[in-house]
Amino acid sequence: GAVVSQHPSWVICKSGTSVKIECRSLDFQATTMFWYRQFPKQSLMLMATSNEGSKATYEQGVEKDKFLINHASLTLSTLTVTSAHPEDSSFYICSADWQGQETQYFGPGTRLLVL
Amino acid sequence: AQKVTQAQTEISVVEKEDVTLDCVYETRDTTYYLFWYKQPPSGELVFLIRRNSFDEQNEISGRYSWNFQKSTSSFNFTITASQVVDSAVYFCALREDDSNYQLIWGAGTKLIIKP
Repeated sequence: GAVVSQHPSWVICKSGTSVKIECRSLDFQATTMFWYRQFPKQSLMLMATSNEGSKATYEQGVEKDKFLINHASLTLSTLTVTSAHPEDSSFYICSADWQGQETQYFGPGTRLLVL
Repeated sequence: AQKVTQAQTEISVVEKEDVTLDCVYETRDTTYYLFWYKQPPSGELVFLIRRNSFDEQNEISGRYSWNFQKSTSSFNFTITASQVVDSAVYFCALREDDSNYQLIWGAGTKLIIKP
């Protein structure tokens, strides 16, 4: 149990395009999902907390118009990087909180390279 | 102030040696959760253990064991008879009771197991 999928795993795009990343909890419902960004050799940096059916809560310094988050169902959250630029290149990871287990389970991550 | 401290940036041992990864946390909450996650080179974070603040029993799972001591605010992780496949970055994390399920992450410890 506790499987979280994330697609795509790799994406290369041109500067100015938008990229959508999907995060799904496959065998449990997740009222709350999280989006992280991780730079090489660093810890995880929380970008936003996504609650099903409501607007995401963004961490300080994260542009909500640039990183659009939608959590339309209890098993799916999406992150759209709009008008991507090379500085947006990073490793993006989602997690889903399994209530009752009080534990976040993580997707395999998406490596984004913006040329 | 750092709430989760993993003072060991990198540890290198030879296969079959035992190794302990330290984690010291800080919180004023009486109810909280502590976690360990493993991040192998592939990038996916793998959940290892969750411990709540009311359960100070040590836990053993195969070659892995965890020592939770509230008196010293520590939650250390020991790998016995290490194997090359244990090579990864290990993160300790804290979830406070009123945190909207967010995790506070340590900086991570990179563990290198040499054959």
